Amino acid sequence: AQSVSQHNHHVILSEAASLELGCNYSYGGTVNLFWYVQYPGQHLQLLLKYFSGDPLVKGIKGFEAEFIKSKFSFNLRKPSVQWSDTAEYFCAVIPGGATNKLIFGTGTLLAVQP
Amino acid sequence: KAGVTQTPRYLIKTRGQQVTLSCSPISGHRSVSWYQQTPGQGLQFLFEYFSETQRNKGNFPGRFSGRQFSNSRSEMNVSTLELGDSALYLCASSQTGDKAYEQYFGPGTRLTVT
Repeated sequence: AQSVSQHNHHVILSEAASLELGCNYSYGGTVNLFWYVQYPGQHLQLLLKYFSGDPLVKGIKGFEAEFIKSKFSFNLRKPSVQWSDTAEYFCAVIPGGATNKLIFGTGTLLAVQP
Repeated sequence: KAGVTQTPRYLIKTRGQQVTLSCSPISGHRSVSWYQQTPGQGLQFLFEYFSETQRNKGNFPGRFSGRQFSNSRSEMNVSTLELGDSALYLCASSQTGDKAYEQYFGPGTRLTVT
């Protein structure tokens, strides 16, 4: 079955620290890849996406992610986190041809300490 | 543009009852998807509607159903409620064309089954 794995369930960082959240998916064909963020009390928002082309994609608020096809990975990075980045982060995949059927990872809760 | 709206925001029902949740997509969006979010199972895809037709379906029992109207508004229905149906139900809408995979989420309906 298609699945998405996020290895870090809970991450605690100090402000200005660098962030990398892991995401791996199990699907051998074409995929569309996403990171969504859910800030406290707010709804899910799209952070960035990868459909094709340059495997390094940039999103909002200084986030970026790198698609490594050989590793089935799409890790999220930010060089310097801020307290306002405290949120839950979800990696998600749409397997080829599945239109809008997002398959989500279990999420990573990030707490940034001032 | 107004975002995705969902009504009601909170709902308490008793086992065995049925419930109908409503979703109004962003103006111009024709695809509406529904997701269930629980602490144990995370975010799971229920179904997607496009132009009043179900285009994708997740692995949920037949008690979960949905429909879409000509104005793209969508409803989902859960019959014979079980305690395990307690969850946050999220609706997401998306456009057609090259932004078809970008889903915009609503705030959700928090359903509690007692």
